[in-house]
Amino acid sequence: GNSVTQMEGPVTLSEEAFLTINCTYTATGYPSLFWYVQYPGEGLQLLLKATKADDKGSNKGFEATYRKETTSFHLEKGSVQVSDSAVYFCALLRRGGSQGNLIFGKGTKLSVKP
Amino acid sequence: EPEVTQTPSHQVTQMGQEVILRCVPISNHLYFYWYRQILGQKVEFLVSFYNNEISEKSEIFDDQFSVERPDGSNFTLKIRSTKLEDSAMYFCASSPGPRGEADTQYFGPGTRLTVL
Repeated sequence: GNSVTQMEGPVTLSEEAFLTINCTYTATGYPSLFWYVQYPGEGLQLLLKATKADDKGSNKGFEATYRKETTSFHLEKGSVQVSDSAVYFCALLRRGGSQGNLIFGKGTKLSVKP
Repeated sequence: EPEVTQTPSHQVTQMGQEVILRCVPISNHLYFYWYRQILGQKVEFLVSFYNNEISEKSEIFDDQFSVERPDGSNFTLKIRSTKLEDSAMYFCASSPGPRGEADTQYFGPGTRLTVL
């Protein structure tokens, strides 16, 4: 079946540290891959996406590359800020058939300290 | 920038009562979804909706749940007889299309449902 596995949190970093949040997936076919972010008390916001192998999604300094060979979509940021503190969700959207539904990982909570 | 809106932001109800959660999807989107997130757990798909009918539903979406697009703008989720385990954050989402570049789903801020 389809599934997403994210690294367990919480992740605590100092400001300006490098961030990696690992995400791997299992899917039939070639899904689209997404990172969503949930700031405290808010809903889910799309952070970035990639629709095919070797695509790199990027937004607000965050990047993730669709790696088919390792079935991964790791989220990275070179220098985190306190305002990046949030829960990050990796998700896949399977293709084919009727409209698809997103399958989410469990989420990784990031806390950035000044 | 257009966005998905949801009302109410918080709903408290007694077990066994009916609740209706409301959503206004982005205006030119054609595909609509409901998800839920029980506190501390992952976001789970409930149902997808296109052309005035359900396209797909999960095992969670049993006979107690229904969805409707009563007019050109609203999309509602009804829970007929709420249970304690229905307490969760409910997210509405919409997308322009089902796949390709149009498959990105945009989420509303959520409705927190508390069943007492």
